[in-house]
Amino acid sequence: EPEVTQTPSHQVTQMGQEVILRCVPISNHLYFYWYRQILGQKVEFLVSFYNNEISEKSEIFDDQFSVERPDGSNFTLKIRSTKLEDSAMYFCASSGTGFGYGYTFGSGTRLTVV
Amino acid sequence: QKEVEQNSGPLSVPEGAIASLNCTYSDRGSQSFFWYRQYSGKSPELIMFIYSNGDKEDGRFTAQLNKASQYVSLLIRDSQPSDSATYLCAVNPGGGGYNKLIFGAGTRLAVHP
Repeated sequence: EPEVTQTPSHQVTQMGQEVILRCVPISNHLYFYWYRQILGQKVEFLVSFYNNEISEKSEIFDDQFSVERPDGSNFTLKIRSTKLEDSAMYFCASSGTGFGYGYTFGSGTRLTVV
Repeated sequence: QKEVEQNSGPLSVPEGAIASLNCTYSDRGSQSFFWYRQYSGKSPELIMFIYSNGDKEDGRFTAQLNKASQYVSLLIRDSQPSDSATYLCAVNPGGGGYNKLIFGAGTRLAVHP
């Protein structure tokens, strides 16, 4: 079964450092997403991406965040200057042309900011 | 603020019983509704989705939607210990948020042998 692949599975970074989280969506999917889940809290929408541009972003997705699809397969989330409160599980997801069928989530990257 | 509410649980049921999980949502324009299962430390896994009022069955799972009451439920028949997980209700909101999901906090289900 096709999978969304995320790397690394766990990243520890110092406050103020930049991190890049990487995702390889399912190959024939067109819509890509990042969500995050702070420990014990809800899964929260960050951003959706379609046709090489952001289609929607949440209020969480401020200027510290950016996304990029640098080639035909990777989809990245960059956090420019990490804060303690950025510590969370970050999930990448993708969906095909029929969004209504739901997303497939990747296994997640646990980001710990110290 | 568009909200999705779930009872946090835990909901404890014996093996073989029916587990009933409930969800309400605030945005009357919401288009589609999803149930995800999440094991501790893992990513959400899609169980099923529903768009239309009524019931939708898939194996041991039945989703029920009542748009007038803004209510979605998931029934799990013949519950197994492996069903023990957190069940997330997710809603695709109306008003242009056509491809994002708003998640509830989840209901923790414990199936005991």
